[in-house]
Amino acid sequence: DGGITQSPKYLFRKEGQNVTLSCEQNLNHDAMYWYRQDPGQGLRLIYYSQIVNDFQKGDIAEGYSVSREKKESFPLTVTSAQKNPTAFYLCASSSGVVIAEAFFGQGTRLTVV
Amino acid sequence: SQQGEEDPQALSIQEGENATMNCSYKTSINNLQWYRQNSGRGLVHLILIRSNEREKHSGRLRVTLDTSKKSSSLLITASRAADTASYLCATDLPYQLTFGKGTKLSVIP
Repeated sequence: DGGITQSPKYLFRKEGQNVTLSCEQNLNHDAMYWYRQDPGQGLRLIYYSQIVNDFQKGDIAEGYSVSREKKESFPLTVTSAQKNPTAFYLCASSSGVVIAEAFFGQGTRLTVV
Repeated sequence: SQQGEEDPQALSIQEGENATMNCSYKTSINNLQWYRQNSGRGLVHLILIRSNEREKHSGRLRVTLDTSKKSSSLLITASRAADTASYLCATDLPYQLTFGKGTKLSVIP
C-alpha cells in the first residue's frame, strides 16, 4: 500500500537528549515536510525538502535538524536546544511545486519527561 | 507567512444537520485546500479549489471560494457522527502549505 509512515507513535525524551523521528514514504513524492502541532494550535512548518540532499527551514526550525539522503526518507531530530519539544509532530509529502494534495503520516507524540 | 484562519473555532450540531465553516486568508493563492483531522491523528485531504474556481462539490462536501474577500467556506450536508473531527484550511505558497487552527466539529447522534 502506498503511503507515509511515521514512527514511533509515542516517544519520551529526557531533558538534554536528542531524539530522532522517522518519516518514510513510498509515494515517489519529491517534497516532504515536517510540521509541529500544539494543543488548540494550527500546524507550524519546521522544515521542508523539495529534492534529495536539499532542505529549507520553515517558520520554527530552531532546535531541530533534518536530513534528506534518500527520496523516501526525511528524519527529524529534535535536539536539546529545542526549549519546548513536547508536541505532536506530523510528516507530510507531496508532488510538485504547486501542492495539489499533501499526504500525512499518523503523527508522533513527543513528551519530555 | 500567510495563514488561513477558520471560523468558528468550534461547532456542535445534531446528526442530519448541515455544518458550515469558514476560512479567511491574507494574500493571493494558487489554490485552497480543506483537510480533516481526527483527534490525535494525521490530516486527510478533503478537497482542493483553485483560485479561478468559485464552487466545488465532492459527495456531501461543498466548497466555495471568494478571492475578492479572501475567504472560503466548507459546507458538510446531512452530517453524521463520523464527521466529528477538526477541519483545517490550507493555503499554498511555493513549496509549502500553511494551515489555520481549524474548526472543531462535533456531530451529536
